[in-house]
Amino acid sequence: GESVGLHLPTLSVQEGDNSIINCAYSNSASDYFIWYKQESGKGPQFIIDIRSNMDKRQGQRVTVLLNKTVKHLSLQIAATQPGDSAVYFCASRGMAYSGAGSYQLTFGKGTKLSVIP
Amino acid sequence: DAGVTQSPTHLIKTRGQQVTLRCSPKSGHDTVSWYQQALGQGPQFIFQYYEEEERQRGNFPDRFSGHQFPNYSSELNVNALLLGDSALYLCASSRWGNQPQHFGDGTRLSIL
Repeated sequence: GESVGLHLPTLSVQEGDNSIINCAYSNSASDYFIWYKQESGKGPQFIIDIRSNMDKRQGQRVTVLLNKTVKHLSLQIAATQPGDSAVYFCASRGMAYSGAGSYQLTFGKGTKLSVIP
Repeated sequence: DAGVTQSPTHLIKTRGQQVTLRCSPKSGHDTVSWYQQALGQGPQFIFQYYEEEERQRGNFPDRFSGHQFPNYSSELNVNALLLGDSALYLCASSRWGNQPQHFGDGTRLSIL
């Protein structure tokens, strides 16, 4: 079945350094991947997404890399700031089951990022 | 522009009771998905509604049911509550066929 997992449950980085959060997925049929940030007491907040026909996508201070050969996804955060402290989830979408618009996301357990001032 | 809103924010129930949670999607969105997030875990997909019909369902028992209204808002109902149903229930909205899903801040449900 489909599963999404993260390599490390916690990550501590110095303020100003770059952060790299990794994620592995098992379903080779996944065609869409997304990263969310969840702060304490709040819902997941969209960061960046990438489709399976791409290897890399950049946003503001964030980059997502997709390696389909080894089914690996990573999120890079440049110049990490205290406000980046949160739990980060990767999620994947499998094949649509009942039409092109219908899909469900499968989430990993999350990585807690702590930024040291 | 209001995002996804959920009510109530917190709820305490006892075993065997039933509960109804509510969600209003982000403006312009017509598809609502519900997720359950246990403490320390990632969200798990419950089901998705579009055009007032359940379109997909995750691995949850029939005690979990839902509804979508003509204005795209949605309800999640859980019957015969168990201690294990204690979790954060998240609603996410999107436009049918489009990404990404946007989440609300959830309803924290505690079962005593």
